[in-house]
Amino acid sequence: GENVEQHPSTLSVQEGDSAVIKCTYSDSASNYFPWYKQELGKRPQLIIDIRSNVGEKKDQRIAVTLNKTAKHFSLHITETQPEDSAVYFCAATGGGKLTFGTGTRLTIIP
Amino acid sequence: GAVVSQHPSRVICKSGTSVKIECRSLDFQATTMFWYRQFPKKSLMLMATSNEGSKATYEQGVEKDKFLINHASLTLSTLTVTSAHPEDSSFYICSARDLLGNRGPYEQYFGPGTRLTVT
Repeated sequence: GENVEQHPSTLSVQEGDSAVIKCTYSDSASNYFPWYKQELGKRPQLIIDIRSNVGEKKDQRIAVTLNKTAKHFSLHITETQPEDSAVYFCAATGGGKLTFGTGTRLTIIP
Repeated sequence: GAVVSQHPSRVICKSGTSVKIECRSLDFQATTMFWYRQFPKKSLMLMATSNEGSKATYEQGVEKDKFLINHASLTLSTLTVTSAHPEDSSFYICSARDLLGNRGPYEQYFGPGTRLTVT
């Protein structure tokens, strides 16, 4: 089955700086890679996703890059704000099922 | 659009009793629903996949007789935790996917989760 690794597990950045979270996956057949933001006790919220036929996607301050050859994808958040503080999960879809990474706790320091 | 609800949001039950959690897609038909379990400060672990009108497919290590899943309609799936024990205490989250509509075949829409505490 699919295996998704995510790092770092915790990340603290100064407000206004950029944050980068990286994930690798094992199943070369995976073709959909979403990123979720989860606040304590809440549901995961989709913030951006990318499909395997695209190398990069951007939505305002958030961007995702995908390297299919290396089987890794990354989340980039620019101009970070205090409300970006949360736990972020990457995921990969193989065989119709989502496999989640282990999560990154992002803290934005005011 | 693409709203998924869960009920109850929190439940406390005694050891040995059974608890049913409902997951509903409110504005679309969910051909497939997923049930996840999340321990504190951990990731979401897929428990099972259910397709409307057929038996659920359970992930390795998940007890079918303990976690009963029913997906009897295109808008409702239920998870019943039978003979609950304290180690079953967790955050249970469902998600739904709409393969028939125009939302795309990949995205999953998550419910708000159910916090189960077994005493």
